[in-house]
Amino acid sequence: ETGVTQSPTHLIKTRGQQVTLRCSSQSGHNTVSWYQQALGQGPQFIFQYYREEENGRGNFPPRFSGLQFPNYSSELNVNALELDDSALYLCASSFPGAFSTDTQYFGPGTRLTVL
Amino acid sequence: RKEVEQDPGPFNVPEGATVAFNCTYSNSASQSFFWYRQDCRKEPKLLMSVYSSGNEDGRFTAQLNRASQYISLLIRDSKLSDSATYLCVVNPRYGGSQGNLIFGKGTKLSVKP
Repeated sequence: ETGVTQSPTHLIKTRGQQVTLRCSSQSGHNTVSWYQQALGQGPQFIFQYYREEENGRGNFPPRFSGLQFPNYSSELNVNALELDDSALYLCASSFPGAFSTDTQYFGPGTRLTVL
Repeated sequence: RKEVEQDPGPFNVPEGATVAFNCTYSNSASQSFFWYRQDCRKEPKLLMSVYSSGNEDGRFTAQLNRASQYISLLIRDSKLSDSATYLCVVNPRYGGSQGNLIFGKGTKLSVKP
């Protein structure tokens, strides 16, 4: 187990609604990244937070927004949901270091279905 | 051209077989390389980092060819428990803790008795 937790595990919403997904990072990790994984695809980077600041963003529209709290947990908010937002949303935590083996550890994900 | 491309699969092999996965990446400035494994409806888990010198972990061997922008993973003596999707991952930054991990679509492996 990575120690990264996400809630909820599953969620069903309708088009136009808003959703908030939550992530608790592994103890000692100060960086949280969010990814979207559509069916049959690899995960795609949404954004990353480092010490409560956004530290990089992928090719996602502004209706995808995030937040990181002082305890390094994080939220992903998606406004005006579209059918194509149906996916597995993965949170990954990490601690930037000097080693090439440093990497990101994923939580179990939240499966979002938009009807 | 996609940033990370993998063999589409699926690979269906008998137990004990040797199987090789290939991956190419488009950004020559990429710094870090990994293989992740993802079981059905689960999160990706780090299998191993990949180095230019090649590295081995038990039955798994990973190779990186920077000149050809090519990454490989070899699994020897396949087990039923190796059945999963294998994701090739590249990071433009040193290490994998920061930055945008770029994933391939994954190659599905099914190991049969």
